[in-house]
Amino acid sequence: GENVEQHPSTLSVQEGDSAVIKCTYSDSASNYFPWYKQELGKGPQLIIDIRSNVGEKKDQRIAVTLNKTAKHFSLHITETQPEDSAVYFCAASRGMNYGGSQGNLIFGKGTKLSVKP
Amino acid sequence: DGGITQSPKYLFRKEGQNVTLSCEQNLNHDAMYWYRQDPGQGLRLIYYSQIVNDFQKGDIAEGYSVSREKKESFPLTVTSAQKNPTAFYLCASSRRDTQYFGPGTRLTVL
Repeated sequence: GENVEQHPSTLSVQEGDSAVIKCTYSDSASNYFPWYKQELGKGPQLIIDIRSNVGEKKDQRIAVTLNKTAKHFSLHITETQPEDSAVYFCAASRGMNYGGSQGNLIFGKGTKLSVKP
Repeated sequence: DGGITQSPKYLFRKEGQNVTLSCEQNLNHDAMYWYRQDPGQGLRLIYYSQIVNDFQKGDIAEGYSVSREKKESFPLTVTSAQKNPTAFYLCASSRRDTQYFGPGTRLTVL
């Protein structure tokens, strides 16, 4: 079935360094790829997303790249700060053959990012 | 203040009891979702609803039930048939394919 693999599972960086998290997906019909940040005990918050007609998207210190041919996409955080410490999840939309449902997502297992001051 | 609310934040249940988790949204979204999150795992889809009075099973629907009588509300019942119900439960709603999450309910079976 459809699957999203996310790596690494944990990532530790020094404040000011960059962090990169990578995801691969299996469903060639996926066309929407959001990233969420989850702080301890809270619900995930959408931080950036990208659609299949775009190769890269940037929002201040956060950027996402998409390679549809290779079926992988990545989150890049530059100039990391201690408040960036959280668990990050990638997701990919399911193809329309999943009951024809728009909006269904498959999630990766998450990356715990720690930014050391 | 717009958003998604879930209640209660913490819930304790004895084995063999059914329990209902509340999810309300005032974002005027048509679609709503329930996910289960276990430590070190991603989010797994339990049920989803694209429109009032209609809902579909997700990947792990066994032992759960839902209703969608109002656009704003999508309650989840964890039944006694769910063998391992202790988890963090997340509700979401969406406009098209962008999902927004509530704060979650942590359910613990005693």
